[in-house]
Amino acid sequence: AQSVTQPDIHITVSEGASLELRCNYSYGATPYLFWYVQSPGQGLQLLLKYFSGDTLVQGIKGFEAEFKRSQSSFNLRKPSVHWSDAAEYFCAVGFYGDYKLSFGAGTTVTVRA
Amino acid sequence: SQTIHQWPATLVQPVGSPLSLECTVEGTSNPNLYWYRQAAGRGLQLLFYSVGIGQISSEVPQNLSASRPQDRQFILSSKKLLLSDSGFYLCAWSVQSDNQPQHFGDGTRLSIL
Repeated sequence: AQSVTQPDIHITVSEGASLELRCNYSYGATPYLFWYVQSPGQGLQLLLKYFSGDTLVQGIKGFEAEFKRSQSSFNLRKPSVHWSDAAEYFCAVGFYGDYKLSFGAGTTVTVRA
Repeated sequence: SQTIHQWPATLVQPVGSPLSLECTVEGTSNPNLYWYRQAAGRGLQLLFYSVGIGQISSEVPQNLSASRPQDRQFILSSKKLLLSDSGFYLCAWSVQSDNQPQHFGDGTRLSIL
C-alpha cells in the first residue's frame, strides 16, 4: 500500500539553528514530491517540489529538500530558522497517472528564542 | 495569476442542519478541484475531487457530497450534519496534468454544536 510517513510529530528548534524535517514514502512507481507549510488557521502553502533531475531542490523562504531514491526519502532542510518558520509542515507524494496526492500527518515546528 | 477563494471562513452549525461550503478559482480554466478535511492534530483527508463539470469522485463514504456546477466552482454539502463533521475544510486546485502541485484556499473552520 502507498504511504507517506513523517516520523517526527513535533520538533522544537532554537532561532538561528538548522532544521531538518523527515519524510519517507512507500510507492512502487516513480513519485513526485512536495513540501507544504501551514500556519495556524490558514491553508497550505507550497514550499518546493521535485519531479525529476537534480535531487536537491530549492524552495521559497530559504528551504531546500533532497530526494534520495535509495532511502525513499525527501527531507526538508533550512540552515537557519527564523521565528516566523514556526508552523506545521506537510510532505506530499503523488505519482504519474494519478491526480491525487497523499499527505503525511505533518510535523509541527516550534521555534524558541 | 490564479487565486482560490473559500467561504465562509468560519461556521458554527447545529447537529442535523444542512451545510454548503463554496470554493471558486480564478485565473485558470478546467482545473482539477479537491476538497479535504483536516481534523484537529491530524493530517489531510481527501474527501472529493473533480476533473470536470459534473464529474465527482468520492474518496471516503460519509454524509457529505460535492458538486461542480461550473468549471471553477466546487461546492461541499450535507443534508444533515453530524458532530463528527467538525473540522477544517480545505479546497484546492491543480492544473490538469500529472505531477502538478495543488494550491490551497484559506479553509473553513466548521464547528458542530
